Amino acid sequence: DQQVKQNSPSLSVQEGRISILNCDYTNSMFDYFLWYKKYPAEGPTFLISISSIKDKNEDGRFTVFLNKSAKHLSLHIVPSQPGDSAVYFCAASGGSGNTGKLIFGQGTTLQVKP
Amino acid sequence: DAGITQSPRYKITETGRQVTLMCHQTWSHSYMFWYRQDLGHGLRLIYYSAAADITDKGEVPDGYVVSRSKTENFPLTLESATRSQTSVYFCASSDRVLSFFGQGTRLTVV
Repeated sequence: DQQVKQNSPSLSVQEGRISILNCDYTNSMFDYFLWYKKYPAEGPTFLISISSIKDKNEDGRFTVFLNKSAKHLSLHIVPSQPGDSAVYFCAASGGSGNTGKLIFGQGTTLQVKP
Repeated sequence: DAGITQSPRYKITETGRQVTLMCHQTWSHSYMFWYRQDLGHGLRLIYYSAAADITDKGEVPDGYVVSRSKTENFPLTLESATRSQTSVYFCASSDRVLSFFGQGTRLTVV
């Protein structure tokens, strides 16, 4: 049972345009959501996060939106740059006895074309 | 250098062999994790540890063994490797808010 889902395996956008990556979750006990970025042959690196008490968090070109009623979050990248081309993982944590362990989605490969 | 390191980066082993993947972190984080990355599945948790000598199963623990005698080390052992364990393995440590990942070990079982 996949608790965190990224239904789009890939996304291609033109440089300068907006990239929107989506993520759905099923466990209402999750209280913290994160996006990680992964380049080939490297480990995932933290990008941006949002607490369940917020509905938006912005950091430079990156904004994460959380819709708790729909159990949906999205990552917006504006403007997209070729260096943003990577795999993006959505992750969630929380619930009883929070250990910091993360439940990841399947990942979305973003390609930003020059 | 501060951070989290995994070794080896690449490993080829034969079916039935025992293999150990190493993980070392310098932040003194209490929590450490092992994930495997497979196409279509994202990152799945194998085992995690809340502190030295405290470990627990994750989503896909079968065929793996972990130990944590020291806070900074969290080795993952495949007792008898199978082809289905061909994957990229990531170790991570956490301050309970953010997880920090190593560069990964690409393991191929032939």
